[in-house]
Amino acid sequence: EPEVTQTPSHQVTQMGQEVILRCVPISNHLYFYWYRQILGQKVEFLVSFYNNEISEKSEIFDDQFSVERPDGSNFTLKIRSTKLEDSAMYFCASSGGRKNQPQHFGDGTRLSIL
Amino acid sequence: AQRVTQPEKLLSVFKGAPVELKCNYSYSGSPELFWYVQYSRQRLQLLLRHISRESIKGFTADLNKGETSFHLKKPFAQEEDSAMYYCALNTGNQFYFGTGTSLTVIP
Repeated sequence: EPEVTQTPSHQVTQMGQEVILRCVPISNHLYFYWYRQILGQKVEFLVSFYNNEISEKSEIFDDQFSVERPDGSNFTLKIRSTKLEDSAMYFCASSGGRKNQPQHFGDGTRLSIL
Repeated sequence: AQRVTQPEKLLSVFKGAPVELKCNYSYSGSPELFWYVQYSRQRLQLLLRHISRESIKGFTADLNKGETSFHLKKPFAQEEDSAMYYCALNTGNQFYFGTGTSLTVIP
């Protein structure tokens, strides 16, 4: 069964540095998402992406964050000037042709900011 | 505003006992609701969605619009059901997750 894959599984970065989290969605999916889960807290929606542009974003997704689909397979989340509070598990998800199709999640990237 | 509420953070039941994980939502439109499960050290997986009205791994969930609930039920819990369960609401614009309920099935 096709899966969403995320790399790296764990990223350790110094505060203030930029970090890029990578995701390869399921190949025939059209909608892509990023979520964040701070340790011990709920999964929070960050952004959705469709047709090469952001379709929705939450209040968490400020100017520090950006997403990109640089080629036909990857979907990246860039976090600039990382802060301690950016430490979290970041999940990528994708869904099929219709907007309300269930989302398939990757294993997540654990981001630790020192 | 909290869109999805899962009032129980932790739930323990004995093997063979019935289990119900509660979920309430807040949304004025037509909700689309899901249950996701996360087994230890694994990714979030879709368990079921309300529009399909199916039973997966013995679990069922019925959307009750009057009570704005989408509780997850299983008549006889198994040890392998121990996991984190998340209720989620899709409004068409955003996907909202509850805080999750950690279910432990005691042998």
